[in-house]
Amino acid sequence: SYELTQPPSVSVSPGQTASITCSGDNLGDKYSCWYQQKPGQSPVLVIYQETKRPSGIPERFSGSTSGNTATLTISGTQPMDEADYYCQAWDSSTVVFGGGTKLTVL
Amino acid sequence: QVQLQQWGAGLLKPSETLSLTCAVYGGSFSGYYWSWIRQPPGKGLDWIGEINHGGSTNYNPSLKSRVTISVDTSKNQFSLKLNSVTAADTAVYYCARGHTTARYMDVWGKGTTVTVSS
Repeated sequence: SYELTQPPSVSVSPGQTASITCSGDNLGDKYSCWYQQKPGQSPVLVIYQETKRPSGIPERFSGSTSGNTATLTISGTQPMDEADYYCQAWDSSTVVFGGGTKLTVL
Repeated sequence: QVQLQQWGAGLLKPSETLSLTCAVYGGSFSGYYWSWIRQPPGKGLDWIGEINHGGSTNYNPSLKSRVTISVDTSKNQFSLKLNSVTAADTAVYYCARGHTTARYMDVWGKGTTVTVSS
């Protein structure tokens, strides 16, 4: 079965750039997306089709893909961005989530 | 603005059947795939399966033998049944709207906490 691999945790200082990676076979062919989830809340889509931002998502969130790795970049990270982030892809008629990355802003 | 409202039993005994329903308000029901996702306590997201308005389904292979997702287009609702539950099925269950291209999910329900305990 298809797998997506994310680092369990990433730390960043306020105002700096955070990068969260997601790796999977041929991920560049699968239009991956990213979700943000804060404690006790439902996930929120922050990037779709690798690079697109839904309405209402701040411009500091961006996505890119190179080969087998998708990257979520948060520029000028704010304390409110502290959350869990999940990548997701579609493979063989199955939705697959990465294991999630806890972003700590300190 | 599309909203998803979900409901169902929150406490089950082992071997019982989990049953949840999600209603779609304020938008089109056709043209999308409607998913169920769960999240065990302290863990990540786990996709259960999806259905479209025509009743076409896809399931997570690891749960396929126990899962049925159905749709009622007259009410703009879709439902999840998971049979023979165990403590390992304890989780927050979410419904969500997925787009056809790559199934990115842009609208989520608030989640239903389901606990399986004897």
